[in-house]
Amino acid sequence: EMQLVESGGGLVQSGESLRLSCEGSGFIFGAHYMDWVRQAPGKGLEWVGRIENRGQRFNTEYAASVRGRFTISRDDSKMSIYLQMRRLTTADTAVYFCARLSAVPRRYDFDLWGLGTLVTV
Amino acid sequence: DIQMTQSASSLSASVGDRVSITCRASQVIFDSLAWIQQKPGEAPKSLIYDASNLQSGVPSRFRGSGSGTDFTLTISSLQPEDFATYYCQQYKTFPLTFGGGTKVEI
Repeated sequence: EMQLVESGGGLVQSGESLRLSCEGSGFIFGAHYMDWVRQAPGKGLEWVGRIENRGQRFNTEYAASVRGRFTISRDDSKMSIYLQMRRLTTADTAVYFCARLSAVPRRYDFDLWGLGTLVTV
Repeated sequence: DIQMTQSASSLSASVGDRVSITCRASQVIFDSLAWIQQKPGEAPKSLIYDASNLQSGVPSRFRGSGSGTDFTLTISSLQPEDFATYYCQQYKTFPLTFGGGTKVEI
């Protein structure tokens, strides 16, 4: 069964840092671009950022609200991506989901999501 | 940024009803649109990609239509497990953006 499992969430103070992890299983992890999406309590979905695969030299893109504070990385040998969050503020309080993009050429949609991990600032 | 607008934040329906949820993009996104279902405490689930294509394993009662700026998700006969919140999402350009969601309630 293909799945994504996020971990690392918790309660932190404003200004502190936190690192989230997302581990995949049941599929060829390194083939996929991977994204982080977050959802503040009672709110809608907000895209955070993306890391592409080795073929695209692990290129990253970020939402303006997190650029310069958040960093996405990956370790395909561990089938994992990471979200390093710095200078956290109350506006970063949310459930953080990782999402997999389809590996089919010219498709850029999400086809698998994790359950999420809650970050409270 | 491309703004995605779902005009209805919620709608009430009954089992067996035909339900349509609309989404409008602030600029042309061609068919770079997905529909995502979310239930409380569960992982979001992608239903439709490229505006009208069903993700693998999604029941055929879900149908996506539209292109350009106006899109619709139609559920032909609402089932009990379909009561959820539905989001549209564009992936034409960064930043990726989502509609505000439409909650389908009993």
